Amino acid sequence: DIVMTQSPDSLAVSLGERATINCKSSQSVLYTSNNRNYLAWYQQKPGQPPKLLISWASTRESGVPDRFSGSGSGTDFTLTISSLQAEDVAVYYCQQCYVAPATFGQGTNVEIK
Amino acid sequence: EVQLVESGGSLVQPGGSLRLSCAASGFTFSRFNMNWVRQAPGKRLEWVSYISSRSSTIEYADSVKGRFTISRDNAEDSLYLQMNSLRAEDTAVYYCATGDDTTGFYLAHWGRGTLVTVSS
Repeated sequence: DIVMTQSPDSLAVSLGERATINCKSSQSVLYTSNNRNYLAWYQQKPGQPPKLLISWASTRESGVPDRFSGSGSGTDFTLTISSLQAEDVAVYYCQQCYVAPATFGQGTNVEIK
Repeated sequence: EVQLVESGGSLVQPGGSLRLSCAASGFTFSRFNMNWVRQAPGKRLEWVSYISSRSSTIEYADSVKGRFTISRDNAEDSLYLQMNSLRAEDTAVYYCATGDDTTGFYLAHWGRGTLVTVSS
């Protein structure tokens, strides 16, 4: 199975500041035949189901604010919140969509400093 | 509006069985791949199972293989998860989620989940 490891486990950022979450996969999730990275990011607020933010490592879903961006390739990926807002307090998960089982990272808890 | 509503979760004894259901509305269910994902209390998300739109491809996590069975009824717009030989470690909120039409694992729409508790 592909193991997904996120860092840090928890992050406290001041309002308006940048938050950066890293995700590393134990093997590449880059499909060379189409040059696409099979990596998703989700946001989960307390008591709610997860929400898909980003697919293909860097493609924002419809309606997701542009302060959220994804980058990276192969085995190393980053989710950046450029200017943290109060409503962004949540747990963020990366997920590899390359092969079954579609494993998730352990989550990163983002809170306000 | 896409809606997914899970049901069937309850308290069950170890070794017991449960059947979860997910009722879909607001989209053409028969065209979508579907997944079950679970989350134990305070734990990370765990993908459980996948079924393609016409049930031709089915996948399971190793932790449930041989015990759980995913199925769907496109005429009824419903997804199911038959869970047998339940263990304490199966205790979790179970979500159904739509999958995309490439890998099937991009989970764009989620239900609110149903709680399964396995305990004596």
